[in-house]
Amino acid sequence: GQSLEQPSEVTAVEGAIVQINCTYQTSGFYGLSWYQQHDGGAPTFLSYNALDGLEETGRFSSFLSRSDSYGYLLLQELQMKDSASYFCAVRPLVTDKLIFGTGTRLQVFP
Amino acid sequence: EPEVTQTPSHQVTQMGQEVILRCVPISNHLYFYWYRQILGQKVEFLVSFYNNEISEKSEIFDDQFSVERPDGSNFTLKIRSTKLEDSAMYFCASSSGEQYFGPGTRLTVT
Repeated sequence: GQSLEQPSEVTAVEGAIVQINCTYQTSGFYGLSWYQQHDGGAPTFLSYNALDGLEETGRFSSFLSRSDSYGYLLLQELQMKDSASYFCAVRPLVTDKLIFGTGTRLQVFP
Repeated sequence: EPEVTQTPSHQVTQMGQEVILRCVPISNHLYFYWYRQILGQKVEFLVSFYNNEISEKSEIFDDQFSVERPDGSNFTLKIRSTKLEDSAMYFCASSSGEQYFGPGTRLTVT
């Protein structure tokens, strides 16, 4: 089976940097995605790592290490609007579906 | 920017009734999905649809559920004889690579 574990909650202050980790147990997958979800809203695609290493998209970066079964999302220059839940997700091999992680609720304080 | 749309935004129904949730995927996408999210939990895959047929379904997607693409634009999820535990947010997604989610339908079964 597939499982992706994330810390349940992370807090930080405006302007800070925060890292949200995702550890997984899966037999194989195409890549690791990250989604942002505000309360009552839809998951919004943020970033995708097909290969090991760092992908940077503006204030957000994502990292994948398949050998360590680990990835993370790095958010820099935090803003109040970044307060949301963040989910990692994988697409297992030979399938179209996304398997989502347990989710991390990020709270940004002034 | 193209987006996935869903109607209604909120549906209240009585236990045992049938509901149809509607989605309009992004027009040039070929893969369509339904996911659900019980309040406070992670997003769970229900079903994927490609080339006018189900390509994969989860164990949640039992005989109570069905999907249809009745015309060139709409993609529907029907839930027959709803149960209390069907109360959740239902998200439609479409893909030509990464999956893009609609705003969701909040289903409340009373």
